[in-house]
Amino acid sequence: DTEVTQTPKHLVMGMTNKKSLKCEQHMGHRAMYWYKQKAKKPPELMFVYSYEKLSINESVPSRFSPECPNSSLLNLHLHALQPEDSALYLCASSQDETSVYNEQFFGPGTRLTVL
Amino acid sequence: GEDVEQSLFLSVREGDSSVINCTYTDSSSTYLYWYKQEPGAGLQLLTYIFSNMDMKQDQRLTVLLNKKDKHLSLRIADTQTGDSAIYFCAERVGGYQKVTFGIGTKLQVIP
Repeated sequence: DTEVTQTPKHLVMGMTNKKSLKCEQHMGHRAMYWYKQKAKKPPELMFVYSYEKLSINESVPSRFSPECPNSSLLNLHLHALQPEDSALYLCASSQDETSVYNEQFFGPGTRLTVL
Repeated sequence: GEDVEQSLFLSVREGDSSVINCTYTDSSSTYLYWYKQEPGAGLQLLTYIFSNMDMKQDQRLTVLLNKKDKHLSLRIADTQTGDSAIYFCAERVGGYQKVTFGIGTKLQVIP
């Protein structure tokens, strides 16, 4: 299984809602990532988890809250978002931070619209 | 600093070769990658090159790296309509997990 799955595929939420994005992989990878991608832009790194601990937070606003319950799962909890947070949210995983090559496998993304 | 630049658009005829170019600024980059993104989908790693290599060939794909000029290119031979997508150049610096992506080149293949 070389797949990273993300749910839901699409999400529409109001600015007062609380929702969560989910990501799962069963490749035994120990590093997992959240990226945000706006239209016609490259993916921008948000968070990195390594061995279930947060290792990189790219100064992301606190209305985005990541969580790594176990080595296979990565969540992104959303609260009080703004319309400018509408984007494609991509999850990725890689073997671990010590891997020389460290290929990142990407999920298909969740298309988020904030009204 | 880290900055990866690419041209925005490339149009080629089916069967021709495509060459997508990229420049980067961080001379300590260790790995350079090419990713493909089809509409509405995530990113798929196509190929990569280690910074001590000049060239890498993988079936229809050829990657050339000029470290002196910090220039990376991806050549797709016999381009097919299924190759239409956005191609991202990306760099990884040292042992860090962070990968910085270029803005992406949209490849349009005309039948």
